[in-house]
Amino acid sequence: DAKTTQPTSMDCAEGRAANLPCNHSTISGNEYVYWYRQIHSQGPQYIIHGLKNNETNEMASLIITEDRKSSTLILPHATLRDTAVYYCIVSPKAAGNKLTFGGGTRVLVKP
Amino acid sequence: GAGVSQSPSNKVTEKGKDVELRCDPISGHTALYWYRQSLGQGLEFLIYFQGNSAPDKSGLPSDRFSAERTGGSVSTLTIQRTQQEDSAVYLCASSYNTGGYEQYFGPGTRLTVT
Repeated sequence: DAKTTQPTSMDCAEGRAANLPCNHSTISGNEYVYWYRQIHSQGPQYIIHGLKNNETNEMASLIITEDRKSSTLILPHATLRDTAVYYCIVSPKAAGNKLTFGGGTRVLVKP
Repeated sequence: GAGVSQSPSNKVTEKGKDVELRCDPISGHTALYWYRQSLGQGLEFLIYFQGNSAPDKSGLPSDRFSAERTGGSVSTLTIQRTQQEDSAVYLCASSYNTGGYEQYFGPGTRLTVT
């Protein structure tokens, strides 16, 4: 599986956009970029995924570079409830796609 | 609708005892996964079920660990002769086998081996 590199931690201000980068320079053509987050003492929560086009849903936007070697998760208006560890994962979109979690980015949203 | 549920939420056991952890996936989800998260460690994959079959058991750390799934629904993870290093949060996830294949996680079972 391709590996990802994320900043260990970042702070952002409540109400502002949070931009979370991820490098995945060895991503394969059939691998998607998935983002999950884990709020303290809870199970991980799916956020969004994409292949090469930018994607948006009610939680976030995902921007993938044209060469697909990096991506950015955007939380448009961060709230205190968005404080969590965010994981960027590359995986085929297929049954049995076991997720390989790295260290993730610990995001602290401050008032 | 109801999400993935796991029981018990917490389990304390003595070293050498057997434990069973239960997972109820989202109704209609044919794929089921077990992961564990040790203190200070990341999440690691244990086993994947497609229906009642387990095509991928590559993450089970030893033969003391086993899992089964019945009726394409409930799954049980069993750890025999527990050791202190088995202490972790055991997480279950399920997914549809169509669409984005995103996985929906339960709240986990925190296992403490004393």
